[in-house]
Amino acid sequence: GDSVTQMEGPVTLSEEAFLTINCTYTATGYPSLFWYVQYPGEGLQLLLKATKADDKGSNKGFEATYRKETTSFHLEKGSVQVSDSAVYFCALSSGKLVFGQGTRLTINP
Amino acid sequence: KAGVTQTPRYLIKTRGQQVTLSCSPISGHRSVSWYQQTPGQGLQFLFEYFSETQRNKGNFPGRFSGRQFSNSRSEMNVSTLELGDSALYLCASSLGYGLAGANYEQYFGPGTRLTVT
Repeated sequence: GDSVTQMEGPVTLSEEAFLTINCTYTATGYPSLFWYVQYPGEGLQLLLKATKADDKGSNKGFEATYRKETTSFHLEKGSVQVSDSAVYFCALSSGKLVFGQGTRLTINP
Repeated sequence: KAGVTQTPRYLIKTRGQQVTLSCSPISGHRSVSWYQQTPGQGLQFLFEYFSETQRNKGNFPGRFSGRQFSNSRSEMNVSTLELGDSALYLCASSLGYGLAGANYEQYFGPGTRLTVT
């Protein structure tokens, strides 16, 4: 079945550091790909998405490119802030959302 | 526009009891999906409803059931509760569903935290 594998955490960085969270997927067909973020005590919020190969999703300084050849959708941000501390989920949609295990990110000032 | 609301936010039940959770989608959204979130299993899809019909179902036992009303509000029910059912239950709404709905953003509620003792 469809699955998503993402970088295990937790990840701890200093403010203004460069962030990469790796995500690879296995799916039949060509799913849409998403990154969701979950802040403490809250539900999930869509961070960005890409619906076809080579699409780049971007939002709030975060970016991810849909790479069909490597079946990847890695999340990047050039300069993280303390407010980016949260759990990040990579997901694919093939009729329903299939999530990775989540990566807890902590940014220290 | 109001977001997805879930009630109650917290619930404590005893093994063997049953529980009903409620979800009100964003106005105009006709699809409601339910997910279970646990530290061990992560986020797992339970089921999806659109226009009062279950359109998709995850791999959960029959103790987990749901329904959707004509106003798109949805409830999920868990009967004969087990300790392993302790989780955060998330509801999400969107305009579309299924393959066509893959491009529709799912908006999540804050969840209901269920603790089974």
